Amino acid sequence: DQQVKQNSPSLSVQEGRISILNCDYTNSMFDYFLWYKKYPAEGPTFLISISSIKDKNEDGRFTVFLNKSAKHLSLHIVPSQPGDSAVYFCAARTLAGTASKLTFGTGTRLQVTL
Amino acid sequence: EPEVTQTPSHQVTQMGQEVILRCVPISNHLYFYWYRQILGQKVEFLVSFYNNEISEKSEIFDDQFSVERPDGSNFTLKIRSTKLEDSAMYFCASSEAPGQGSAGNTIYFGEGSWLTVV
Repeated sequence: DQQVKQNSPSLSVQEGRISILNCDYTNSMFDYFLWYKKYPAEGPTFLISISSIKDKNEDGRFTVFLNKSAKHLSLHIVPSQPGDSAVYFCAARTLAGTASKLTFGTGTRLQVTL
Repeated sequence: EPEVTQTPSHQVTQMGQEVILRCVPISNHLYFYWYRQILGQKVEFLVSFYNNEISEKSEIFDDQFSVERPDGSNFTLKIRSTKLEDSAMYFCASSEAPGQGSAGNTIYFGEGSWLTVV
Protein backbone atom coordinates (compact mmCIF):
# COMPACT_ATOMS: atom_id res chain seq x y z
CA ASP A 1 0.00 0.00 0.00
CA GLN A 2 2.09 2.86 -1.32
CA GLN A 3 0.29 5.90 -0.02
CA VAL A 4 3.44 7.99 -0.26
CA LYS A 5 5.70 7.59 -3.27
CA GLN A 6 9.07 8.95 -4.14
CA ASN A 7 9.55 7.83 -7.70
CA SER A 8 13.18 8.85 -8.06
CA PRO A 9 15.44 6.54 -6.08
CA SER A 10 18.45 8.76 -6.73
CA LEU A 11 19.41 12.24 -7.89
CA SER A 12 22.77 13.75 -8.68
CA VAL A 13 23.25 17.53 -8.63
CA GLN A 14 26.24 19.77 -8.94
CA GLU A 15 27.28 21.90 -5.99
CA GLY A 16 25.62 25.30 -6.12
CA ARG A 17 22.73 24.17 -8.30
CA ILE A 18 19.18 23.48 -7.22
CA SER A 19 18.10 20.04 -6.00
CA ILE A 20 14.44 19.17 -6.47
CA LEU A 21 13.09 16.12 -4.73
CA ASN A 22 9.56 15.00 -5.48
CA CYS A 23 6.89 13.14 -3.56
CA ASP A 24 3.37 12.03 -4.46
CA TYR A 25 0.64 10.85 -2.14
CA THR A 26 -2.76 9.27 -2.50
CA ASN A 27 -4.47 9.70 0.86
CA SER A 28 -6.49 12.91 1.16
CA MET A 29 -6.55 12.51 4.94
CA PHE A 30 -2.89 13.49 5.27
CA ASP A 31 -2.86 16.87 6.99
CA TYR A 32 0.83 17.54 7.40
CA PHE A 33 3.89 16.70 5.35
CA LEU A 34 7.46 16.48 6.52
CA TRP A 35 10.84 16.00 4.92
CA TYR A 36 13.56 14.09 6.70
CA LYS A 37 17.21 13.64 5.85
CA LYS A 38 18.90 10.38 6.73
CA TYR A 39 22.47 9.21 6.76
CA PRO A 40 23.29 5.48 6.83
CA ALA A 41 22.90 3.88 10.27
CA GLU A 42 21.39 7.06 11.71
CA GLY A 43 17.88 8.18 12.49
CA PRO A 44 15.85 10.47 10.24
CA THR A 45 16.61 14.14 10.92
CA PHE A 46 13.74 16.57 10.53
CA LEU A 47 14.29 19.21 7.85
CA ILE A 48 11.12 21.08 7.05
CA SER A 49 7.36 20.60 7.09
CA ILE A 50 4.21 22.02 5.58
CA SER A 51 0.60 22.01 6.61
CA SER A 52 -1.93 20.80 4.05
CA ILE A 53 -3.57 24.23 4.13
CA LYS A 54 -0.40 25.92 2.87
CA ASP A 55 1.27 25.74 -0.52
CA LYS A 56 4.77 26.82 0.40
CA ASN A 57 7.09 26.87 3.36
CA GLU A 58 10.62 28.16 3.33
CA ASP A 59 13.47 27.72 5.78
CA GLY A 60 16.85 28.95 4.68
CA ARG A 61 18.05 26.92 1.70
CA PHE A 62 15.08 24.58 1.95
CA THR A 63 11.65 25.23 0.47
CA VAL A 64 8.76 22.80 0.34
CA PHE A 65 5.95 23.27 -2.17
CA LEU A 66 2.59 21.54 -1.88
CA ASN A 67 0.18 21.09 -4.77
CA LYS A 68 -2.84 19.65 -3.04
CA SER A 69 -4.93 19.20 -6.19
CA ALA A 70 -2.17 17.11 -7.73
CA LYS A 71 -1.34 15.42 -4.39
CA HIS A 72 2.26 16.33 -4.99
CA LEU A 73 4.96 17.99 -2.95
CA SER A 74 8.53 18.87 -3.64
CA LEU A 75 11.58 19.88 -1.67
CA HIS A 76 13.90 22.44 -3.20
CA ILE A 77 17.41 22.86 -1.90
CA VAL A 78 19.27 25.86 -3.21
CA PRO A 79 22.17 26.17 -3.40
CA SER A 80 23.02 22.50 -2.98
CA GLN A 81 26.07 21.69 -0.90
CA PRO A 82 28.16 18.50 -0.65
CA GLY A 83 26.95 18.09 2.95
CA ASP A 84 23.41 17.73 1.62
CA SER A 85 24.31 14.32 0.21
CA ALA A 86 22.01 11.88 2.03
CA VAL A 87 18.76 10.01 1.61
CA TYR A 88 15.70 12.27 1.77
CA PHE A 89 12.39 10.89 2.96
CA CYS A 90 9.02 12.44 2.42
CA ALA A 91 6.56 11.63 5.22
CA ALA A 92 2.86 12.33 5.52
CA ARG A 93 1.00 12.68 8.79
CA THR A 94 -2.40 11.51 9.90
CA LEU A 95 -3.79 11.74 13.38
CA ALA A 96 -4.27 8.19 14.67
CA GLY A 97 -6.04 8.16 17.99
CA THR A 98 -4.58 11.14 19.79
CA ALA A 99 -1.10 10.84 18.30
CA SER A 100 0.54 11.44 14.96
CA LYS A 101 1.27 8.63 12.55
CA LEU A 102 3.76 9.12 9.76
CA THR A 103 3.71 7.26 6.47
CA PHE A 104 7.07 7.39 4.75
CA GLY A 105 8.08 7.27 1.13
CA THR A 106 10.89 5.02 -0.04
CA GLY A 107 13.42 7.83 -0.10
CA THR A 108 15.58 9.58 -2.70
CA ARG A 109 19.34 9.41 -2.45
CA LEU A 110 20.79 12.83 -3.24
CA GLN A 111 24.40 13.09 -4.32
CA VAL A 112 25.82 16.59 -4.53
CA THR A 113 28.98 16.61 -6.61
CA LEU A 114 31.78 19.16 -6.67
CA GLU B 1 19.68 20.78 21.05
CA PRO B 2 17.43 18.23 22.79
CA GLU B 3 17.48 14.81 21.21
CA VAL B 4 15.98 11.36 21.46
CA THR B 5 18.54 8.84 22.68
CA GLN B 6 18.40 5.10 22.18
CA THR B 7 20.24 2.11 23.61
CA PRO B 8 21.69 -0.22 22.57
CA SER B 9 22.91 1.02 19.21
CA HIS B 10 23.31 -2.56 18.04
CA GLN B 11 22.14 -5.87 19.46
CA VAL B 12 22.53 -9.39 18.18
CA THR B 13 20.14 -11.93 19.64
CA GLN B 14 19.19 -15.54 19.05
CA MET B 15 15.82 -16.37 17.60
CA GLY B 16 13.26 -16.88 20.34
CA GLN B 17 15.01 -14.64 22.84
CA GLU B 18 13.45 -11.56 24.40
CA VAL B 19 14.83 -8.17 23.54
CA ILE B 20 14.25 -4.79 25.17
CA LEU B 21 15.13 -1.64 23.30
CA ARG B 22 15.36 1.51 25.35
CA CYS B 23 14.72 5.13 24.55
CA VAL B 24 14.85 8.47 26.34
CA PRO B 25 12.49 10.84 24.52
CA ILE B 26 12.91 14.61 24.48
CA SER B 27 12.04 15.78 27.98
CA ASN B 28 9.01 18.00 27.36
CA HIS B 29 7.46 15.67 24.79
CA LEU B 30 4.31 13.77 25.62
CA TYR B 31 3.89 11.48 22.62
CA PHE B 32 6.19 8.57 21.97
CA TYR B 33 6.59 6.29 19.00
CA TRP B 34 8.43 3.30 17.66
CA TYR B 35 9.16 2.89 13.97
CA ARG B 36 11.33 0.36 12.23
CA GLN B 37 13.18 0.02 8.95
CA ILE B 38 14.02 -3.36 7.56
CA LEU B 39 17.16 -3.17 5.41
CA GLY B 40 16.30 -1.77 2.00
CA GLN B 41 12.70 -1.03 2.90
CA LYS B 42 10.63 1.93 4.07
CA VAL B 43 10.51 3.32 7.56
CA GLU B 44 7.33 1.82 9.03
CA PHE B 45 5.13 2.89 11.92
CA LEU B 46 4.85 0.40 14.76
CA VAL B 47 3.11 2.10 17.67
CA SER B 48 2.29 5.41 19.30
CA PHE B 49 1.96 5.96 23.04
CA TYR B 50 0.40 8.74 25.08
CA ASN B 51 -0.70 9.12 28.67
CA ASN B 52 0.63 5.69 29.57
CA GLU B 53 -1.31 3.82 26.97
CA ILE B 54 -1.07 2.82 23.34
CA SER B 55 -2.74 5.35 21.08
CA GLU B 56 -2.42 3.41 17.83
CA LYS B 57 -0.58 0.34 16.63
CA SER B 58 0.10 -1.11 13.22
CA GLU B 59 -0.49 -4.64 11.96
CA ILE B 60 3.19 -5.34 12.57
CA PHE B 61 2.78 -4.67 16.29
CA ASP B 62 1.38 -8.06 17.24
CA ASP B 63 1.24 -9.78 20.61
CA GLN B 64 4.97 -10.38 20.74
CA PHE B 65 5.55 -6.63 20.95
CA SER B 66 4.90 -4.43 23.95
CA VAL B 67 5.78 -0.91 25.03
CA GLU B 68 6.19 0.58 28.44
CA ARG B 69 7.09 3.83 30.12
CA PRO B 70 8.52 2.38 33.34
CA ASP B 71 9.53 5.75 34.81
CA GLY B 72 9.39 9.43 33.94
CA SER B 73 12.12 9.32 31.34
CA ASN B 74 12.42 5.94 29.64
CA PHE B 75 10.27 4.42 26.91
CA THR B 76 10.89 0.79 26.01
CA LEU B 77 10.00 -1.62 23.24
CA LYS B 78 9.99 -5.29 24.18
CA ILE B 79 9.98 -8.09 21.65
CA ARG B 80 9.01 -11.18 23.58
CA SER B 81 10.21 -13.97 21.27
CA THR B 82 12.28 -12.65 18.41
CA LYS B 83 12.01 -13.99 14.87
CA LEU B 84 14.46 -13.68 12.02
CA GLU B 85 12.15 -11.20 10.31
CA ASP B 86 12.37 -8.86 13.31
CA SER B 87 15.88 -7.94 12.20
CA ALA B 88 15.69 -4.23 11.49
CA MET B 89 16.68 -0.78 12.66
CA TYR B 90 14.21 0.32 15.34
CA PHE B 91 13.68 4.04 15.77
CA CYS B 92 12.21 5.66 18.82
CA ALA B 93 10.61 9.05 18.29
CA SER B 94 8.77 11.70 20.26
CA SER B 95 6.69 14.80 19.73
CA GLU B 96 4.79 17.51 21.52
CA ALA B 97 1.02 17.61 21.24
CA PRO B 98 -0.13 17.07 17.65
CA GLY B 99 -2.13 19.87 16.15
CA GLN B 100 -0.27 22.55 18.04
CA GLY B 101 1.40 24.05 15.01
CA SER B 102 4.65 22.90 13.51
CA ALA B 103 6.25 22.12 16.86
CA GLY B 104 3.52 19.71 17.82
CA ASN B 105 3.31 18.17 14.41
CA THR B 106 7.01 17.38 14.11
CA ILE B 107 8.23 13.98 15.19
CA TYR B 108 11.86 13.75 16.25
CA PHE B 109 13.72 10.50 15.82
CA GLY B 110 16.54 8.86 17.70
CA GLU B 111 19.64 7.37 16.10
CA GLY B 112 18.13 3.91 16.04
CA SER B 113 18.85 0.49 17.52
CA TRP B 114 20.00 -2.05 15.00
CA LEU B 115 18.60 -5.47 15.92
CA THR B 116 20.01 -8.59 14.31
CA VAL B 117 18.22 -11.87 15.01
CA VAL B 118 20.26 -14.98 14.22
